[in-house]
Amino acid sequence: DGGITQSPKYLFRKEGQNVTLSCEQNLNHDAMYWYRQDPGQGLRLIYYSQIVNDFQKGDIAEGYSVSREKKESFPLTVTSAQKNPTAFYLCASSIRPGQGSEAFFGQGTRLTVV
Amino acid sequence: AQSVTQLDSQVPVFEEAPVELRCNYSSSVSVYLFWYVQYPNQGLQLLLKYLSGSTLVKGINGFEAEFNKSQTSFHLRKPSVHISDTAEYFCAVNDKAAGNKLTFGGGTRVLVKP
Repeated sequence: DGGITQSPKYLFRKEGQNVTLSCEQNLNHDAMYWYRQDPGQGLRLIYYSQIVNDFQKGDIAEGYSVSREKKESFPLTVTSAQKNPTAFYLCASSIRPGQGSEAFFGQGTRLTVV
Repeated sequence: AQSVTQLDSQVPVFEEAPVELRCNYSSSVSVYLFWYVQYPNQGLQLLLKYLSGSTLVKGINGFEAEFNKSQTSFHLRKPSVHISDTAEYFCAVNDKAAGNKLTFGGGTRVLVKP
């Protein structure tokens, strides 16, 4: 089945460590997105990519990094510079964002700093 | 920058009663509008979208929304809710003038009571 897969579902990180969240899609979508979700704050855009080897910062990019080396993959690294990384992270993709195509979401990764 | 406001953070409603969730956005130039639903610890699913044409849009599970350009609003309605409609609902705007970013509102949590 086509879809978007995030792994792991739950992730624990020690203070000062970098961690990488995986996002893979087999929908042949051009655009991919990373969002952070905190209670009562909706979804805030971290990074997005409309084509391979290109990506743009969203509204809260500080302390995060991404790469887009393949069309189907858009990993997110939460670095030690991110002061409050505990949150629910959602990855999404869309086929043609400029033409009103909807975003398809993964099941999310819940990151907790211990 | 585009902003999306969902005026109610929580909406309690009795089963079989109607519900309306309000959404306003800041810029009406070249936008596409979406409503998504999120069940606990899951990703988001598309309920409906407005691209152009008729201002009344019908979606899945009996939901509908009305686009009002002059009021920059896209309110979601359902005439009779079920217990299974208990979830969080997000309004989103795809702003072509802002690099095709998909911006979300803060969400409205709907609690359907028996």
